[in-house]
Amino acid sequence: EAQVTQNPRYLITVTGKKLTVTCSQNMNHEYMSWYRQDPGLGLRQIYYSMNVEVTDKGDVPEGYKVSRKEKRNFPLILESPSPNQTSLYFCASSLNSGNNEQFFGPGTRLTVL
Amino acid sequence: GNSVTQMEGPVTLSEEAFLTINCTYTATGYPSLFWYVQYPGEGLQLLLKATKADDKGSNKGFEATYRKETTSFHLEKGSVQVSDSAVYFCALSAYSSASKIIFGSGTRLSIRP
Repeated sequence: EAQVTQNPRYLITVTGKKLTVTCSQNMNHEYMSWYRQDPGLGLRQIYYSMNVEVTDKGDVPEGYKVSRKEKRNFPLILESPSPNQTSLYFCASSLNSGNNEQFFGPGTRLTVL
Repeated sequence: GNSVTQMEGPVTLSEEAFLTINCTYTATGYPSLFWYVQYPGEGLQLLLKATKADDKGSNKGFEATYRKETTSFHLEKGSVQVSDSAVYFCALSAYSSASKIIFGSGTRLSIRP
């Protein structure tokens, strides 16, 4: 089944404790992206990747890192999480750009205390 | 810069009512326009898209027409069902930067039986 998977689905952590949210897709898509969803703000793009080893900042990249060492994986890293990073995070992929249909993962709800 | 503005929710309708969710955009160039739908507890799914002026996207009884003169992409459905209850997001991908996607804030739709 074609899908985007994220792990974990739920995470409660404390300020400053490094964490990684994994994202994997099995559709051989070149483009992958991370979003955060906050009430009243919709989805905001954090980082995106056009292909392996090619990443770029979205609209809200501060406090986040990403890597794209393999085509299928695009982990989101929070080196020192803060409470303002409490949010619902979505990973998405598409064939070769954001102009194509994006397939979204199920989401990761993160709480930083 | 590029932006998307959606009508604020929540929107509550009775089954079989006519639905309109307004979406207007600001963009340089000729963006592609999308409607995504998010059912409870799930990631977003593409509902429909239009890539050039006067194109009409349609799917599952929903329609939206790309109006360049009014910079709008309103979502409509002639007769809504309880199963249409979800959050709807309007989004654009600017031609000049197909990698970056801008989402609206989302409109929550609830349908009463």
